[in-house]
Amino acid sequence: EAAVTQSPRNKVAVTGGKVTLSCNQTNNHNNMYWYRQDTGHGLRLIHYSYGAGSTEKGDIPDGYKASRPSQENFSLILELATPSQTSVYFCASGDLSYEQYFGPGTRLTVL
Amino acid sequence: GDSVTQTEGPVTVSESESLIINCTYSATSIAYPNLFWYVRYPGEGLQLLLKVITAGQKGSSRGFEATYNKETTSFHLQKASVQESDSAVYYCALGPASNTNKVVFGTGTRLQVLP
Repeated sequence: EAAVTQSPRNKVAVTGGKVTLSCNQTNNHNNMYWYRQDTGHGLRLIHYSYGAGSTEKGDIPDGYKASRPSQENFSLILELATPSQTSVYFCASGDLSYEQYFGPGTRLTVL
Repeated sequence: GDSVTQTEGPVTVSESESLIINCTYSATSIAYPNLFWYVRYPGEGLQLLLKVITAGQKGSSRGFEATYNKETTSFHLQKASVQESDSAVYYCALGPASNTNKVVFGTGTRLQVLP
């Protein structure tokens, strides 16, 4: 029933490893977003997308790639994970008023 | 670029006291951005608390209110009498931002309500 889902919900990775975070939405929204949340920084935008096939850099894109293969799916890829990427990651879809519909979050720990 | 500034937390109040969390914004790319308050309760994801898309209007939800003030570029969140269950992190946001489909968030304000 949840409109925005994320997987995995928790992930432990090793430094230098590849990590893929997945997001699926059933809202049929064109816009999708990836944020990370860290204490003292609030929500920071990593990448976003206007629709299938498009990805745009957000405010902190370094070290991250994104992929939007379809309207429903938006992935965040860490090719070479580093401990500084330990965080909670949120995916969201956005409607025409820019209201954000968030997923439950993924807690990523990079050792 | 566009930005949002909100009260730094943590904010601690006692149950039944009034609350105000300040939010001011800077929007250089659009005259009237849409304004939002989101909340994250412990152990949960972020969810919309209220939104206002017309300057001068007030939004309300769960006893919280916020008025879109174009003159002071503010969108303060208020509640007359808080409950312990209001303990959470509150985020002010605006969109669209910077001539894109981006949404800009404040850094969040942690609210603790004491019983």
